[in-house]
Formats: sequence, structure tokens, C-alpha cells
Amino acid sequence: DGGITQSPKYLFRKEGQNVTLSCEQNLNHDAMYWYRQDPGQGLRLIYYSQIVNDFQKGDIAEGYSVSREKKESFPLTVTSAQKNPTAFYLCASSDQVGRTLAEAFFGQGTRLTVV
Amino acid sequence: RKEVEQDPGPFNVPEGATVAFNCTYSNSASQSFFWYRQDCRKEPKLLMSVYSSGNEDGRFTAQLNRASQYISLLIRDSKLSDSATYLCVVITGGFKTIFGAGTRLFVKA
Repeated sequence: DGGITQSPKYLFRKEGQNVTLSCEQNLNHDAMYWYRQDPGQGLRLIYYSQIVNDFQKGDIAEGYSVSREKKESFPLTVTSAQKNPTAFYLCASSDQVGRTLAEAFFGQGTRLTVV
Repeated sequence: RKEVEQDPGPFNVPEGATVAFNCTYSNSASQSFFWYRQDCRKEPKLLMSVYSSGNEDGRFTAQLNRASQYISLLIRDSKLSDSATYLCVVITGGFKTIFGAGTRLFVKA
């Protein structure tokens, strides 16, 4: 079955550590996105990529980094520079970016907690 | 002003009630509009797209008002299973996808 997979589901990070969240899709979608969701707030865009080897900052990119070496994969690294990383992270993918309306498919999310 | 704004609620309604949510957007060049449903601690899932002419899917009706720059979602004959957070999504010209903060709905027996 086609879909988008995030791992791990739960992640605990110590202060000062970098951690990487995995996102893989087999939908053959060109575009992939990372969002962050805090309690009572909507999804905020961290980074997005429209094509392999290219990515753009979203609204809250500081303290995060990404790579897009393969079409299927878009890992997100939460660096020690991110001052408040505890949140629910959602990865999404979509097709037909910039041309027509594009439904986004989401992974099941990674809940990151700083301990 | 936020690019997309929703009333956070919560809306508490009895089963069988009709409830409506609005979502306003600030960019008049916005091209595509959607409603997503998000259950607690789960990922958002597409509920329905919103077309200029309005569209209906069973008990759900979505409307777009470009002149006043808002979209709406109407739920008729509410069910307990409709309890969730409803997110409006706006795609502006080119690419940018913007999510609203969501409106929480609780349907009570």
C-alpha cells in the first residue's frame, strides 16, 4: 500500500542533543513538507521541498535542518539551536505542486519531548 | 493579522444538531481551499475540498466566499463520531500551504 511513514512515533531528547526524525513516502510525490504542531495551535511550516536536492525554509525554520537526497525521503534534524523543540511533528507529501490544488497526505507524526 | 484564522471553539453541540464553522483568509490571491479533520493525537486527514460553487458530501457542506474571503463548513445531524478538530487549509498562489489553528467540536449524547 502506498503511504507516508514517520519514525519514531515517540522521541525523547536531552538538552543540547541533535535528533533526526525520519519521513519516507512511496507515493511518488514530488513535494514533501515538515510541520510542527503545538497544543492549541495550527500546523506551522518548518521546511518544504518541491524536488530532489532542493528545499526551502518555511515560517519557523530556525533550529532545524533537512535534506532531500532521494525523492522518497525527507529527514528533519532538530538541532540544539531549537530552543523549544517539544512538539508534535508531522511530515506530509503532495503532488502537483504549484499547478493545481494538491491534497496533502500526512504521516502519523512524531511526538518529540525534551527531557 | 494571521493569514488564516479560525474560531478555536470548542463548540459543544448535542447529537443531531447543525453546526457551522468559518475560516477567514487574508491573501486574496489564494487559490485552493480544503477542510481537514484531525482526531486527538493523530495526523490531519482530508475531509473535503472547497469549490467556488460550493460542494456537499453527505452531511457536510463546504462553501467559499471570495468576496469576503472566507470558507465555511456546515455539519448537519451531528454524530458523536464528528467530535474532532477541523482545520481549514488555504493554498496561496504558487505553493504556500497555510493551516488554520483548528476549531474543536464536541458532540454530546
